[in-house]
Amino acid sequence: AQSVTQPDIHITVSEGASLELRCNYSYGATPYLFWYVQSPGQGLQLLLKYFSGDTLVQGIKGFEAEFKRSQSSFNLRKPSVHWSDAAEYFCAVGKTDSWGKFQFGAGTQVVVTP
Amino acid sequence: AAGVIQSPRHLIKEKRETATLKCYPIPRHDTVYWYQQGPGQDPQFLISFYEKMQSDKGSIPDRFSAQQFSDYHSELNMSSLELGDSALYFCASSLAMTGNEQFFGPGTRLTVL
Repeated sequence: AQSVTQPDIHITVSEGASLELRCNYSYGATPYLFWYVQSPGQGLQLLLKYFSGDTLVQGIKGFEAEFKRSQSSFNLRKPSVHWSDAAEYFCAVGKTDSWGKFQFGAGTQVVVTP
Repeated sequence: AAGVIQSPRHLIKEKRETATLKCYPIPRHDTVYWYQQGPGQDPQFLISFYEKMQSDKGSIPDRFSAQQFSDYHSELNMSSLELGDSALYFCASSLAMTGNEQFFGPGTRLTVL
């Protein structure tokens, strides 16, 4: 069965500093990988996704993520955070063989300080 | 571009009442998923439908049922509501032949008093 681990429950970062959110997955093959952002009381917005090909994926809002098969990781990065990046971030794994449910990580809460 | 529509956006019910949540997928999408996100939790998969047939089932209580209609919209019916059912319920849709990319709706926030 697939599983997703986000080791950091909570991260505090200064505005303008870099941000990296960790995601490790467990899956029998190369999965589909996603990062979503959720502001309080809001829906899930897709930041970026990885299906195949180039392992460095560019997303919206200046985010990027790198798929590392050897480490079963899909870490999210942003070089310089803005106060508006304060939110909860979810990593998700989907099956590649057919349609199927997403398995979400527990989420990482990002707080941005002035 | 059209997105997934969920209605209502907010719903308040009493214990033991019933609730019906609706989901309208992106046009031409044939697969619908339902997720439940409790307070401070990650979204948990409930159930999915492909071409109007149940395709997968997760941790959905027996008190809940769902279906997908001929126009591909889906409804989640919840009976004998309990306080613990208070959550944000997401619907997502995808087009199976293009791969497993799910597009999420804004969610329905259900509060059970």
